[in-house]
Amino acid sequence: GAGVSQTPSNKVTEKGKYVELRCDPISGHTALYWYRQSLGQGPEFLIYFQGTGAADDSGLPNDRFFAVRPEGSVSTLKIQRTERGDSAVYLCASSLNGRAQYFGPGTRLTVL
Amino acid sequence: TQLLEQSPQFLSIQEGENLTVYCNSSSVFSSLQWYRQEPGEGPVLLVTVVTGGEVKKLKRLTFQFGDARKDSSLHITAAQPGDTGLYLCAGAPGDYKLSFGAGTTVTVRA
Repeated sequence: GAGVSQTPSNKVTEKGKYVELRCDPISGHTALYWYRQSLGQGPEFLIYFQGTGAADDSGLPNDRFFAVRPEGSVSTLKIQRTERGDSAVYLCASSLNGRAQYFGPGTRLTVL
Repeated sequence: TQLLEQSPQFLSIQEGENLTVYCNSSSVFSSLQWYRQEPGEGPVLLVTVVTGGEVKKLKRLTFQFGDARKDSSLHITAAQPGDTGLYLCAGAPGDYKLSFGAGTTVTVRA
């Protein structure tokens, strides 16, 4: 079956703009995660959904970041008033049992 | 600050040689995972280890979880150019939130 897909693959925006990043998890996976990966670093946890609710959003850096998963499948990560420091690859992963997480190809966000 | 320290940061070897990558922490993990990531792609899960002292083999790759569940190693025998990539270890203190190391970039020269 299809893996995790993310759109867009690349996003270039200007400082102060609003962006939305989309994640389509593997069908049937109830858990969904967002991570952020900066150059030369491993992914850093942002938020975890179990079904429709955010079970853990402790990794969101500040209140400019918000994520939703209204129907328990597709998720959108929203970033308001983007800053240059938000530039990174945003990765989405899904899982069935929590331990084995399957990652999408990521969205490369560049804030000019 | 990352919970998991990986070493070395970079590794360049000739095809046919062996290599070992280390992943260390002062924290105990309920499970530890190894991923490989290629440029422009997301990490791909290679293995999950759960039990202290556990050894898992995946063709030419051997993964070991430390007895105290704080560290792990990845050994590749007779490396091939297709093994080139960024190797990431990730620990789960609980059931879901993964903490990643910074990764080891492995280059295998033909």
